[in-house]
Amino acid sequence: GAVVSQHPSRVICKSGTSVKIECRSLDFQATTMFWYRQFPKQSLMLMATSNEGSKATYEQGVEKDKFLINHASLTLSTLTVTSAHPEDSSFYICSAREGGYTQYFGPGTRLTVL
Amino acid sequence: AQTVTQSQPEMSVQEAETVTLSCTYDTSENNYYLFWYKQPPSRQMILVIRQEAYKQQNATENRFSVNFQKAAKSFSLKISDSQLGDTAMYFCAFMKLSTGTASKLTFGTGTRLQVTL
Repeated sequence: GAVVSQHPSRVICKSGTSVKIECRSLDFQATTMFWYRQFPKQSLMLMATSNEGSKATYEQGVEKDKFLINHASLTLSTLTVTSAHPEDSSFYICSAREGGYTQYFGPGTRLTVL
Repeated sequence: AQTVTQSQPEMSVQEAETVTLSCTYDTSENNYYLFWYKQPPSRQMILVIRQEAYKQQNATENRFSVNFQKAAKSFSLKISDSQLGDTAMYFCAFMKLSTGTASKLTFGTGTRLQVTL
């Protein structure tokens, strides 16, 4: 199946700093990418949807100024958590879709904000 | 809005046995896809099986099969010959087929499956 990578796999940062997470589709061109947040023992919560070259569409309640998403190419999307605070600590997962309706997921990034 | 319900928070099955995970959904749409994803302890989401709503035939992937009952809005997953590697959280997901805007997955709350010796 299609492969999606994420980098870094885990990151620890100080409160107030910004953190960038990369999501890459390795063997296909992703027309659409998605960013999810997952709290411990819970389901995935969709944060935003991005299409290459367009502004991301954020879900209700997600702060677009805090979670900046850039989908600059058909193989790369980035999520930047700006001015991170301890409550932003979570597991962030990206997924990508080529053109059909099946989404392939990255391995996730564990963010810890001290 | 669509909702997906997984009524079994946890299940356990012995190795080599068969287990069925339940999923129901609520929608007024006619064109949609249904998915089962597994999330093992590594937390990598892995697609298990996919079902197109317009297809009457139940999808099958090796030891995994579904029982899709469109009228009842039910989409259960059967795992045959369970293996220790099947231990994971299983999420049922619904996707409405949209034009213009990206189709999005709606996930259930998950069922944690433990396969024991």
